[in-house]
Amino acid sequence: DAGVIQSPRHEVTEMGQEVTLRCKPISGHDYLFWYRQTMMRGLELLIYFNNNVPIDDSGMPEDRFSAKMPNASFSTLKIQPSEPRDSAVYFCASRETGVRGGYTFGSGTRLTVV
Amino acid sequence: SQKIEQNSEALNIQEGKTATLTCNYTNYSPAYLQWYRQDPGRGPVFLLLIRENEKEKRKERLKVTFDTTLKQSLFHITASQPADSATYLCARPSGNTGKLIFGQGTTLQVKP
Repeated sequence: DAGVIQSPRHEVTEMGQEVTLRCKPISGHDYLFWYRQTMMRGLELLIYFNNNVPIDDSGMPEDRFSAKMPNASFSTLKIQPSEPRDSAVYFCASRETGVRGGYTFGSGTRLTVV
Repeated sequence: SQKIEQNSEALNIQEGKTATLTCNYTNYSPAYLQWYRQDPGRGPVFLLLIRENEKEKRKERLKVTFDTTLKQSLFHITASQPADSATYLCARPSGNTGKLIFGQGTTLQVKP
């Protein structure tokens, strides 16, 4: 398995533009998580899905952020409009039901909003 | 609220020594704790899970302990090597949900 695949790896955009981050979880994993990491706040959970259904989006900063999971192999995180304070590394992670194993993280998308 | 606290100061040790990292949690004891390793520019990688009723767990040169009285987990790397240099993250589940809360991480630097 190629692991959790995120794209793009880097994204530089201008303030006000729409940004879409993509994630392909590991096949068979029924949980998918979106995290954001900054030096100040560390790893923060934004939203997570179970069997493609959003379960908890309480970490989504505001209405500018939205996430979808149209099927078991694909998820997007969209920011519209983007702001400089959204600059961070965004990670997608997946896991299967049960607690024997941990999360498998993707390599992340480094977002810079100028 | 449930929190995970790790020493934000970097830990510098000499190769061959044992590195010990600390993770403190607040509120009630979680059913388990997890430890991850993160290298620069990469996502965290899962290392170990220790359950509340397990005092200690080992994996090769790694050892994790879980002390519910002190509300603390210790992460040990014995015979440390420069390749062990990374940031190590502790995480706990949020209640009975499927989500994890992560600490800020402790950066370990092993010098040859």
